[in-house]
Amino acid sequence: NTVMTQSPTSMFISVGDRVTMNCKASQNVGTNVDWYQQKTGQSPKLLIYGASNRYTGVPDRFTGSGSGTDFTLTISNMQAEDLAVYYCLQYNYNPWTFGGGTKLELK
Amino acid sequence: QVTLKESGPGILQPSHTLSLTCSFSGFSLSTYGMGVSWIRQPSGKGLEWLASIWWNGNTYNNPSLKSRLTVSKDTSNNQAFLKVTSVDTADTATYYCAHTTFYYYDGTYVMDAWGQGASVTVSS
Repeated sequence: NTVMTQSPTSMFISVGDRVTMNCKASQNVGTNVDWYQQKTGQSPKLLIYGASNRYTGVPDRFTGSGSGTDFTLTISNMQAEDLAVYYCLQYNYNPWTFGGGTKLELK
Repeated sequence: QVTLKESGPGILQPSHTLSLTCSFSGFSLSTYGMGVSWIRQPSGKGLEWLASIWWNGNTYNNPSLKSRLTVSKDTSNNQAFLKVTSVDTADTATYYCAHTTFYYYDGTYVMDAWGQGASVTVSS
């Protein structure tokens, strides 16, 4: 299976911060990576697809980048409503595999 | 507007078969590029993709569940189904179904709408 390793596992941030989280694939997955946001008690929501395409309605402070094995999700100007766990997903190989998540918490 | 809702037994005993239904609206599973995926999440843990079923009847399962997993659909009634046989406590989780779209022009897949999740507990 393709292992998706996310780092860091948690981050303590302040409103207004620029936040960068990473996702590393154990093999080349091209740009076949999505990012999902899951707030406490809620279902996951799609943020980014195809590594760098912002989904409809997602604020432009969310940016995805990367290809091959290394991917990044950046939140510029962090808002309180962005507190959540963020997961990357690769769909280049079966089975599709999620990273373990990065949890954003307030300082 | 796409909506999905999972339904299931809530609690079941080890070795029994888990049957879940995903009832959806706002799309048809007979339309090119449309699919329904199943994902589960043990309490306090991460997400695990289980399977996807597509408009053309193709299904893709996670081999980690070996042959315990079956997905199917009823296009006429806008439902998709997940069956997991021989459950044990490790199958305790919230099970989600998600509308999944295949964008043929760039080869991307997105799970762009999720149900609220169905909690499943395996316990004797």
